Amino acid sequence: AAGVIQSPRHLIKEKRETATLKCYPIPRHDTVYWYQQGPGQDPQFLISFYEKMQSDKGSIPDRFSAQQFSDYHSELNMSSLELGDSALYFCASSLADRGHTGELFFGEGSRLTVL
Amino acid sequence: GEDVEQSLFLSVREGDSSVINCTYTDSSSTYLYWYKQEPGAGLQLLTYIFSNMDMKQDQRLTVLLNKKDKHLSLRIADTQTGDSAIYFCASGTGANNLFFGTGTRLTVIP
Repeated sequence: AAGVIQSPRHLIKEKRETATLKCYPIPRHDTVYWYQQGPGQDPQFLISFYEKMQSDKGSIPDRFSAQQFSDYHSELNMSSLELGDSALYFCASSLADRGHTGELFFGEGSRLTVL
Repeated sequence: GEDVEQSLFLSVREGDSSVINCTYTDSSSTYLYWYKQEPGAGLQLLTYIFSNMDMKQDQRLTVLLNKKDKHLSLRIADTQTGDSAIYFCASGTGANNLFFGTGTRLTVIP
């Protein structure tokens, strides 16, 4: 079965650079969530989209932005990168009518390292 | 916000049962979840339970919920080496309002 695809799997950037992470949800899933997991920490909700509109916002820094496109894939854009942005970024998708139950399907994550 | 706590480490012998515990603080949590994370991999939803249930069984997995004490546990019967991973407890009212614990690293000793 198709899963959530994230790219790139690994990314190395320097401070003050920008980075873009991509997420391709499971086919027919209309909702996408982004989570950030710092080293040794639990995942923190950043932002979510439903039908290409932002549906909820968590602890996403102002330096970050995200959007969902017409094909339902989503991109997380991170600017002015800081060392503390080094983390594993997970994308998850669900059907809107199942998202309220937390039935999320996670991708394998994109590991961002900021030097 | 919600506070979800788990013990950090658990070691068991192959074939034994594992019990991973979790406590949470928000009594309005509608759902409680167990996710598994293998090294370098994403979070895999193992199972979840509605807050109005006290037990759910799914093959080798048994989830027990004590809503009064806000205590959730995951029992893995006949633990195998492939069960070695980090197990995250999460609580909330939905995907946008999901609070994860810090994870319990389960090590299965052959």
